Amino acid sequence: EVQLVESGGGLVKPGGSLRLSCAASGFTFSSAWMTWVRQAPGKGLEWVGRIKSKFDGGTTDYAAPVKGRFTISTDDSKTTLYLQMNSLKTEDTAVYYCTTPLAYSGTYTPDPFYLWGQGTLVTVSS
Amino acid sequence: QSVLTQPPSVSGAPGQRVTISCTGSSSNVGAGYDVHWYQQLPGAAPKLLIYANSNRPSGVPDRFSGSKSGTSASLAITGLQAEDEADYYCQSYDSSLSGSNVFGTGTKVTVL
Repeated sequence: EVQLVESGGGLVKPGGSLRLSCAASGFTFSSAWMTWVRQAPGKGLEWVGRIKSKFDGGTTDYAAPVKGRFTISTDDSKTTLYLQMNSLKTEDTAVYYCTTPLAYSGTYTPDPFYLWGQGTLVTVSS
Repeated sequence: QSVLTQPPSVSGAPGQRVTISCTGSSSNVGAGYDVHWYQQLPGAAPKLLIYANSNRPSGVPDRFSGSKSGTSASLAITGLQAEDEADYYCQSYDSSLSGSNVFGTGTKVTVL
């Protein structure tokens, strides 16, 4: 089955760290460009960052609010995407989704996000 | 606040047609970048509804249609149904932003 499953969310204090995971299955993970999107409670979607496949350079891009604090990485052997979040702030409280374009990758600018995980909630509070 | 502006809410009776606008600028929609649309049902992950301005993924009913002109894009829902009650988001690319990907502010569709 083609799917993404996030894990690792929870309650963390301001200034703390947390690592989210996104386990992928059913598609060629090593070729996929993977993205994190978040949604604060009652708010809209916010693009967080993206990692290209290693074949395409493995480079990362981040949204301004998280640049320098968040790091995206992948482990192709485990078909897993990670989001390392450091120096967390209360405004980072959100449901975090991993997503990928699958077959829609590379043809459009930007890529549309076809496959989504169910999300994992991160709460930053003292 | 997002660079792509959508109306906070739209509503319509069952069977009616509603439209949702996504207004950008010359650095995003007006620069020719694609616009995609997502539907998010309560408590669920977003679902790709329209890609590349006007194309529907397999399985999306043809009641949903998209268009783009100038610095704006639109999503239309014809024959509105109760199950269409959800939040809708546009997405595009903005060369002036870090990372460049951007979502619209979102629109809540209410079926009266």
